[in-house]
Amino acid sequence: DAGVIQSPRHEVTEMGQEVTLRCKPISGHDYLFWYRQTMMRGLELLIYFNNNVPIDDSGMPEDRFSAKMPNASFSTLKIQPSEPRDSAVYFCASSYSPNSNQPQHFGDGTRLSIL
Amino acid sequence: SQQGEEDPQALSIQEGENATMNCSYKTSINNLQWYRQNSGRGLVHLILIRSNEREKHSGRLRVTLDTSKKSSSLLITASRAADTASYFCATETYNTDKLIFGTGTRLQVFP
Repeated sequence: DAGVIQSPRHEVTEMGQEVTLRCKPISGHDYLFWYRQTMMRGLELLIYFNNNVPIDDSGMPEDRFSAKMPNASFSTLKIQPSEPRDSAVYFCASSYSPNSNQPQHFGDGTRLSIL
Repeated sequence: SQQGEEDPQALSIQEGENATMNCSYKTSINNLQWYRQNSGRGLVHLILIRSNEREKHSGRLRVTLDTSKKSSSLLITASRAADTASYFCATETYNTDKLIFGTGTRLQVFP
């Protein structure tokens, strides 16, 4: 079975540019999560979706960040405009309904560097 | 915000030794999960223990949960060089769909 697929694996871009990160969850999973991992702050939940609907975006740092899930098999996380402090590894994860004691399945992440 | 604090932050052992990592958390939980992260990769789920369970085994992994102390431990027995990775605990609280991850323990197993 294919796992969670993220693209690109690496992104290097200049400050001020728009960045779009992509995620394909595991087929049949109804929850999708976006995380950011840095040395200083560890693994932070940014936003999550249930059945393509955003449920909690309280972790999104600021208005420069936005996320969409137009269908059950695709989600994007967009940063516009990007800043050097956005440099981090961004992970997407998917799961069945979490309250049924289901684990999350992570992609291999996008390593983002903003110069 | 991070609910879980892990201890130690880093651990170095020889192959064949046991490795023990501890996790403390702050609020009541529905379950606690342990994940492994190899360098440059995503997190991989290892084991889930429910709040009404006290101990769980999976292969060389043993997890304990003490809800009165709000703590958990992960024991890896007979460690191998391939166990070298970071290990994270994550808690799921009632009435939420979110996992809150701890700070992680970096384990290095020398051959």
